[in-house]
Amino acid sequence: NAGVTQTPKFQVLKTGQSMTLQCAQDMNHEYMSWYRQDPGMGLRLIHYSVGAGITDQGEVPNGYNVSRSTTEDFPLRLLSAAPSQTSVYFCASSYSAGLNTEAFFGQGTRLTVV
Amino acid sequence: GIQVEQSPPDLILQEGANSTLRCNFSDSVNNLQWFHQNPWGQLINLFYIPSGTKQNGRLSATTVATERYSLLYISSSQTTDSGVYFCAVPSGGYNKLIFGAGTRLAVHP
Repeated sequence: NAGVTQTPKFQVLKTGQSMTLQCAQDMNHEYMSWYRQDPGMGLRLIHYSVGAGITDQGEVPNGYNVSRSTTEDFPLRLLSAAPSQTSVYFCASSYSAGLNTEAFFGQGTRLTVV
Repeated sequence: GIQVEQSPPDLILQEGANSTLRCNFSDSVNNLQWFHQNPWGQLINLFYIPSGTKQNGRLSATTVATERYSLLYISSSQTTDSGVYFCAVPSGGYNKLIFGAGTRLAVHP
């Protein structure tokens, strides 16, 4: 059981470039989300999805787009990368969107924008 | 929104020592999770503990939801316990987690 898989693990972008961070889960989880972690801080929510075709913004959504066409996949798109988006990105999933479910995280993608 | 505070921010231990990490939250919660972020950056689930006490080997956790805090106990610490420990609680509906700033633990041999 692979759990939550993120690709790539590392990425360097130039300012203004676009890219997609991939996230896939094989646990048939309903709820998926993206977080970013900046140095010395906890994780902050970017976007989340409560099911296929349904997404919404979290705490820090600017500069990012998401879509959820299948239960398994939840890609995060950077439209025009900026140095402020240098961070470690984590994807998470949980069985349901309810408040009483445990979240599981992928291994993270370390992104540097130069 | 809900605030999550962790203490202490930093902790240095000798191998074999015990420690207690604290997580305070500002509103009632339906669940609480503890994570260990290892030196390679991986987030590892330690406990899903809305209330009560759970134990897993040398680690245990207690959440007192009515008093809005949770404690993580590490006994007989090992160098592999080093890293950052986060607590997180859901906020604003759905399982949208709010993380504390973490406790950075260094265990020296």
